[in-house]
Amino acid sequence: GAGVSQSPSNKVTEKGKDVELRCDPISGHTALYWYRQSLGQGLEFLIYFQGNSAPDKSGLPSDRFSAERTGGSVSTLTIQRTQQEDSAVYLCASSSSGLAGPIYNEQFFGPGTRLTVL
Amino acid sequence: TQLLEQSPQFLSIQEGENLTVYCNSSSVFSSLQWYRQEPGEGPVLLVTVVTGGEVKKLKRLTFQFGDARKDSSLHITAAQPGDTGLYLCAGLDNYGQNFVFGPGTRLSVLP
Repeated sequence: GAGVSQSPSNKVTEKGKDVELRCDPISGHTALYWYRQSLGQGLEFLIYFQGNSAPDKSGLPSDRFSAERTGGSVSTLTIQRTQQEDSAVYLCASSSSGLAGPIYNEQFFGPGTRLTVL
Repeated sequence: TQLLEQSPQFLSIQEGENLTVYCNSSSVFSSLQWYRQEPGEGPVLLVTVVTGGEVKKLKRLTFQFGDARKDSSLHITAAQPGDTGLYLCAGLDNYGQNFVFGPGTRLSVLP
């Protein structure tokens, strides 16, 4: 497809379980972002990948959160030992530039994965 | 840490009314973007403003970037039910890498 896709669209899990969320960015986009959006709230930055550079992990809320981006394309966000406060919509975005890129840097967002931790 | 505040948090108006929502910070941003998000979807970019004092118009929407590049406003003329959604502002930090999002203004336009 032409847009950013995310899977699954919904995930219900039990407290303490691990979950993996997947993001397929737009082909050719070098930058990839993960955000978390709690109900009715704005976006909380989690992690940023730019090409082959080391990711910016400054937004990850705890060491239970990690993310990988394989081959500069698909990304997986993993949450270990999930807690109820992890319940949120996890949004992925990609853009065609990042480091020192133009300031008209448009992010294209996927529809998100709604995570519910029981 | 660069932070953005948005006001009002919620706004409910009748079709045909005008409205303005605000995005404010104590920090300077290299650019600022406005997004609209509808339920169950990701945010969609409306506009990017770059120059202090810049004004951009998109049909019934007028965006302004403050002279000091710390604040922005979005004015909607003759609001329509299709304008309903969450309006988010996002500032690009001075390294040009990370976006800081405000908490959003949730707009409801009633027919």
